[in-house]
Amino acid sequence: QVLLQESGPGLVKPSETLSLTCAVSGGSISSSGFYWGWVRQSPGKGLEWIASIYHSGNTYYNPSLKSRVTISADTSKNKFSLRMTSVTAADTAMYYCTRDLGSGWSEEAFDVWGQGTKVTVSA
Amino acid sequence: EIVLTQSPGTLSLSPGERATLSCRASQSVGSRYLAWYQQRPGRAPRLLMYGSSTRATGIPDRFSGSGSGTDFTLTISSLEPEDFAVYFCLQYASSPRTFGQGTKVDIK
Repeated sequence: QVLLQESGPGLVKPSETLSLTCAVSGGSISSSGFYWGWVRQSPGKGLEWIASIYHSGNTYYNPSLKSRVTISADTSKNKFSLRMTSVTAADTAMYYCTRDLGSGWSEEAFDVWGQGTKVTVSA
Repeated sequence: EIVLTQSPGTLSLSPGERATLSCRASQSVGSRYLAWYQQRPGRAPRLLMYGSSTRATGIPDRFSGSGSGTDFTLTISSLEPEDFAVYFCLQYASSPRTFGQGTKVDIK
């Protein structure tokens, strides 16, 4: 059973950079066909897909966030990460890391979710 | 991007009743690229259905999904106490993947 565990700072100041990491256990991020990604949830915007990555290094971004977001993976540590620059209060949300259904297609339903990490942007 | 509109916003029902939730897309997502999630308070979303009508692993058969094109339905045939939660639809026909705003099923 694949488990995902997010970690992050909890509180970030406006204009700073947010960095989150997702540790994967019970499976490998190098497994063929699976994409790994980030989804956030806020009261104002609901659920929003942020970015996804394949172990080969192929990355996919939501156009609304693409200019500020970078997703990366460390296959040796079985982790993947999200970096978001120039954060504002609008980035306050619960951030979930996800794994998709594994069809091999980059646009797939999200199957496995981490428990989420709450991020607040405030001075 | 494709906008998903869920209705109703809140559904107040009693245990044992049938729940019918709607998800309407701003453009066609075909017959396969629609998923449903359940979210209980303080928990991450849980995949219920994908491909519009395929139950995810471990999901009881009181949950069923149907629809194609722009109109999709999630039906819970007989509500159990643990089914009172918020339900979201997701389209993955085109990028960016987008979610509906949710339907809350609460106890009447």
